[in-house]
Amino acid sequence: DAKTTQPTSMDCAEGRAANLPCNHSTISGNEYVYWYRQIHSQGPQYIIHGLKNNETNEMASLIITEDRKSSTLILPHATLRDTAVYYCIVRVANNAGNMLTFGGGTRLMVKP
Amino acid sequence: EAGVAQSPRYKIIEKRQSVAFWCNPISGHATLYWYQQILGQGPKLLIQFQNNGVVDDSQLPKDRFSAERLKGVDSTLKIQPAKLEDSAVYLCASSIGQGAKAFFGQGTRLTVV
Repeated sequence: DAKTTQPTSMDCAEGRAANLPCNHSTISGNEYVYWYRQIHSQGPQYIIHGLKNNETNEMASLIITEDRKSSTLILPHATLRDTAVYYCIVRVANNAGNMLTFGGGTRLMVKP
Repeated sequence: EAGVAQSPRYKIIEKRQSVAFWCNPISGHATLYWYQQILGQGPKLLIQFQNNGVVDDSQLPKDRFSAERLKGVDSTLKIQPAKLEDSAVYLCASSIGQGAKAFFGQGTRLTVV
């Protein structure tokens, strides 16, 4: 899997949008960008994934730059329950031998 | 739908003892993963199964760790003998196929004293 670079930590005010960046400059054409988060004492939870186009679901939006070398996860109205470590991962979908490899992630602290 | 079940939730053992963890994936999920997460770090993949075959176990310390997935459903991860540095949370995850989104269990917190 291609490597990703994320800031170690970020703060966000409750009710504001949280924008979490991820750099993946060596991403291959068939690799997707996945985001997971891990709330304290729980297992990681899938949030969203995309290939080229921007994606939105009930949890978040994913904005991928045109050159696909970076992306941003957006939590539109952060709540205290969004405090977690957020992991950006790039991997090939539906491919034999495809690993799900986590880096260090971004620790997001949502403050009242 | 039921999630990924793991047991036990917590385990404390002395070094050089052995321990086993159990995982029951979501029904119908062909891919199963075991991760080790040391405090303050991201999860590290130990082994990935596709049905009952091993896809990757390159980061599994095979001198002391073993894992099996008989019949392509439940899986067990064993450590024998345990070392102090094995203290971590052991996470199991499953997905419907390789590359699909993975669902994680709550993990087993192992403390080796």
